[in-house]
Amino acid sequence: EDQVTQSPEALRLQEGESSSLNCSYTVSGLRGLFWYRQDPGKGPEFLFTLYSAGEEKEKERLKATLTKKESFLHITAPKPEDSATYLCAVWNYGGSQGNLIFGKGTKLSVKP
Amino acid sequence: DSGVTQTPKHLITATGQRVTLRCSPRSGDLSVYWYQQSLDQGLQFLIQYYNGEERAKGNILERFSAQQFPDLHSELNLSSLELGDSALYFCATGLGITDTQYFGPGTRLTVL
Repeated sequence: EDQVTQSPEALRLQEGESSSLNCSYTVSGLRGLFWYRQDPGKGPEFLFTLYSAGEEKEKERLKATLTKKESFLHITAPKPEDSATYLCAVWNYGGSQGNLIFGKGTKLSVKP
Repeated sequence: DSGVTQTPKHLITATGQRVTLRCSPRSGDLSVYWYQQSLDQGLQFLIQYYNGEERAKGNILERFSAQQFPDLHSELNLSSLELGDSALYFCATGLGITDTQYFGPGTRLTVL
């Protein structure tokens, strides 16, 4: 069964304390992996798309990387405004077209 | 702001009733996706439309239906509502069938 697992479920950091979030996946054929940020009660905000192993993308304090089995979202010197739930989703090549499978997210809290 | 609009923002109704949620895509987007997000289930894909035609179905109940109109806006119809249907409903839109999805702000449905 296609599956996306994110860890940890929750992460508390001090401002400036760098860390990484993990997204591991098992799908029959990966077409793309997506990272989103979601604030409480709001819609997910697109961050990155990764298509192939070895690919990396950066935006401000965030860097996403992809291997054949997992993706990491590295957060460097986080600030309190980075507090949010970070969602990972994969697009299954073998599944129904348009089928995004989401993980349950990592809730990040950054304390000043 | 993703450019995707959803109305209404909040909806409170009673069990057994029927409601309609509306989504207007970003300019140029042809695909519309509907998702349900509840506390324990995370984001669940419901259904996708591309240029007016249904393209993919996920975990959508038979009591739920959707359509995409010639002007590309979409509506999600939920009928015979049950308490368990209370959730956030998001639509997301994209250029094509497998492009990055941009989410709207969501409609919070409460069934009493």
